[in-house]
Amino acid sequence: QSVLTQPPSASGTPGQRVTISCSGSSSNIGSNYVYWYQQLPGTAPKLLIYWNNQRPSGVPDRFSGSKSGISASLAISGLRSQDEADYYCATWDDSLSGVVFGGGTKLTVL
Amino acid sequence: QLVESGGGVVQPGRSLRLSCAASGFTFSSYAMHWVRQAPGKGLDWVAVFSYDGNNKYYADSVKGRFTVSRDNSKSTLYLQMNSLTAEDTAVYYCARVAVAGDNMGGFDIWGQGTMVTVSS
Repeated sequence: QSVLTQPPSASGTPGQRVTISCSGSSSNIGSNYVYWYQQLPGTAPKLLIYWNNQRPSGVPDRFSGSKSGISASLAISGLRSQDEADYYCATWDDSLSGVVFGGGTKLTVL
Repeated sequence: QLVESGGGVVQPGRSLRLSCAASGFTFSSYAMHWVRQAPGKGLDWVAVFSYDGNNKYYADSVKGRFTVSRDNSKSTLYLQMNSLTAEDTAVYYCARVAVAGDNMGGFDIWGQGTMVTVSS
């Protein structure tokens, strides 16, 4: 059972906009920055969003992040087949004194 | 770039030491983390060694068994794993925090991972 809760799956058709939610608590999302990672099959994770809503250079602006209270979300617009991957949210947990990840959301592009 | 090594097959109860060699950046300025992923499962944070060497934190699941260390002169991060169990079977990644001087931020550079299999 992960400290951060994500839906196990999400799907959309090419061109659509999909959102992935991440729910936590006051000791983690509520008081720290949220990060999002994309993991393609057989590869290491890639940082997609940092500090709740910032994109590293090279990440398309189709990806956006937001945070409100103890929840965060990742939005992907203009969905493409290459976006099919696992997506993870993460943050620091003050009570656990450690990084916590969501269980991951498998995105399928239909 | 980060390159892990030291993985392999080990019997339950035995020890293993992983290494993570860094290049292309000033290693001593960055906090470094270990993250693992069991086969078919999600990401699981293991430990962090702060950039200034003053703080080390561990996941409850490895506390007392795993020790993280670093040698800035060699730009290398280590993970000493003792009393291994089948639940420790995973790909182990080292990862760099994106912002120098930040201990708990996003991980912008990941190694390729090294597989640890605990089995008799």
